[in-house]
Amino acid sequence: ETGVTQSPTHLIKTRGQQVTLRCSSQSGHNTVSWYQQALGQGPQFIFQYYREEENGRGNFPPRFSGLQFPNYSSELNVNALELDDSALYLCASSLFGGGRGDTQYFGPGTRLTVL
Amino acid sequence: DQQVKQNSPSLSVQEGRISILNCDYTNSMFDYFLWYKKYPAEGPTFLISISSIKDKNEDGRFTVFLNKSAKHLSLHIVPSQPGDSAVYFCAALFSNDYKLSFGAGTTVTVRA
Repeated sequence: ETGVTQSPTHLIKTRGQQVTLRCSSQSGHNTVSWYQQALGQGPQFIFQYYREEENGRGNFPPRFSGLQFPNYSSELNVNALELDDSALYLCASSLFGGGRGDTQYFGPGTRLTVL
Repeated sequence: DQQVKQNSPSLSVQEGRISILNCDYTNSMFDYFLWYKKYPAEGPTFLISISSIKDKNEDGRFTVFLNKSAKHLSLHIVPSQPGDSAVYFCAALFSNDYKLSFGAGTTVTVRA
């Protein structure tokens, strides 16, 4: 059974650019949640995808968007990057929406730096 | 608006002694609480949880206590081991929800 993987590990972009981050779910999981962890803070919920549809969204602007594919892998896209978007982006996979957090399995994250 | 707060950014404890991590929350509608542990370059991993209908849950060396009236929970690690050195996050959930609300984390260092 493979765990949650994310790519790339690190990424450097400049302000105004666009970025795509990728997440492969743990085998058998059909739900992916994305979180942003800024330096010195805890992870903040961005959105969740269940069966290729957005299933809930946190307090993030529309320039944060996502996709989930038929194999349940997922992408997080951020347009018009701002300096404050610099953070660790975590994805978590779960089964049936992960109604209880102990069923959410996190990947190692992608460290995004915006210059 | 930070609804889950961990006011101690760091904690240093000697190997074999007790580690006590604290967490406060502001929203009384939270009904499920979790602790996650995070090593560098790894994602958070689930450690232990507690439902609001309980005041204590124990799993080996880890015990979580919940005081609903004070909106406070704590994690006790006894005895502390060097492998426990990590960042610990407190998180909370609303009933039947999946959006984890995290605290800022406490970095625990266990000294030999």
